[in-house]
Amino acid sequence: GAGVSQSPSNKVTEKGKDVELRCDPISGHTALYWYRQRLGQGLEFLIYFQGNSAPDKSGLPSDRFSAERTGESVSTLTIQRTQQEDSAVYLCASSLVLRGETQYFGPGTRLLVL
Amino acid sequence: SQQGEEDPQALSIQEGENATMNCSYKTSINNLQWYRQNSGRGLVHLILIRSNEREKHSGRLRVTLDTSKKSSSLLITASRAADTASYFCAVSSASGYSTLTFGKGTMLLVSP
Repeated sequence: GAGVSQSPSNKVTEKGKDVELRCDPISGHTALYWYRQRLGQGLEFLIYFQGNSAPDKSGLPSDRFSAERTGESVSTLTIQRTQQEDSAVYLCASSLVLRGETQYFGPGTRLLVL
Repeated sequence: SQQGEEDPQALSIQEGENATMNCSYKTSINNLQWYRQNSGRGLVHLILIRSNEREKHSGRLRVTLDTSKKSSSLLITASRAADTASYFCAVSSASGYSTLTFGKGTMLLVSP
């Protein structure tokens, strides 16, 4: 089926506003991951879902970040009261199962906080 | 940290030459994977090598794994301008929950 999709592709927002980023994983993939990538940097792991459950939220940078997944499908990453340091590309990936298998990435959402 | 660390950070070569990138890690692994990223967008999986494998080939790609040295290398033979991208290694730990931990990447520039 189709690959991982993310929306929006680009988001420009003002400091202090809330943003919601969406990820549609590959159908049937039970595991879903969110990463953040600042310009010229590597991937920073944020959170993973096994089904609809996120057992470990310690990778989220602050309590302004939250994520949920419903129906073992779509996931949303919400950033409240955005700050300029939140500017980055947010990447979503999914895999068939959790255990270290190949991850399939979406194209990312490029977030710019002014 | 189990993070993969790529070396070099940047590599510039001419078309037709071979490109070699290295990755080191610190813990026991289930597998090690290499990904490619163009223009800061989504990563594309290239190849996965399991801890009990020593070498794997896919087209112009050759990956080696030395678990005694906790290192891997990615060789791209007969490089093309289209190979220009960032290349990341990612390790799947043998313990704990098994998300992947990515390195900071090697930026490869292949000039025509």
